[in-house]
Amino acid sequence: DAGVTQSPTHLIKTRGQQVTLRCSPKSGHDTVSWYQQALGQGPQFIFQYYEEEERQRGNFPDRFSGHQFPNYSSELNVNALLLGDSALYLCASSDRGSSYEQYFGPGTRLTVT
Amino acid sequence: ELKVEQNPLFLSMQEGKNYTIYCNYSTTSDRLYWYRQDPGKSLESLFVLLSNGAVKQEGRLMASLDTKARLSTLHITAAVHDLSATYFCAVDRVQGAQKLVFGQGTRLTINP
Repeated sequence: DAGVTQSPTHLIKTRGQQVTLRCSPKSGHDTVSWYQQALGQGPQFIFQYYEEEERQRGNFPDRFSGHQFPNYSSELNVNALLLGDSALYLCASSDRGSSYEQYFGPGTRLTVT
Repeated sequence: ELKVEQNPLFLSMQEGKNYTIYCNYSTTSDRLYWYRQDPGKSLESLFVLLSNGAVKQEGRLMASLDTKARLSTLHITAAVHDLSATYFCAVDRVQGAQKLVFGQGTRLTINP
């Protein structure tokens, strides 16, 4: 049973570019949440997707957007990248109907130069 | 706004010693989580505490929750080098979309 997977593992982008990160939830999970973890900080909630809709959003600008597909996988898009967007981006999945616990993926390390 | 504070933020200790990490949160919360993170890695779930007075233990780690004081502790007994990592506590609420609010993390270094 595969756990949460994310791709790519590492990514280097230039300021002003756009990036797309991908996440496949754990088998049987229907909810995907995204978190940003800056170096030396705790993860911060970006948003959560359920039934292909954004259900809740943290304090992140509109440059951060997402999508959930019918197979429950999800994408995180960041436009007009800033140096401050450099971070580890974590995806977490859960089963909204039966479990509160979130399972985290390995993360994508984004470096903006 | 729900806020979570951990202390200490950095902790260096000798093998064999005991120590406690504290996690305070600002408003009523439904669930308290402890995670471990190794450098460059993702989060590993350690404990989930659901009710006042809850205590869970795994190996040399024991977590407890006092909802009245809005305080959770992670106690390390007879520390070993393999426990060196960053430990995070996080809280969330049952209503609405599940949104974890994390503390700043405690970087624990255990020296031989």
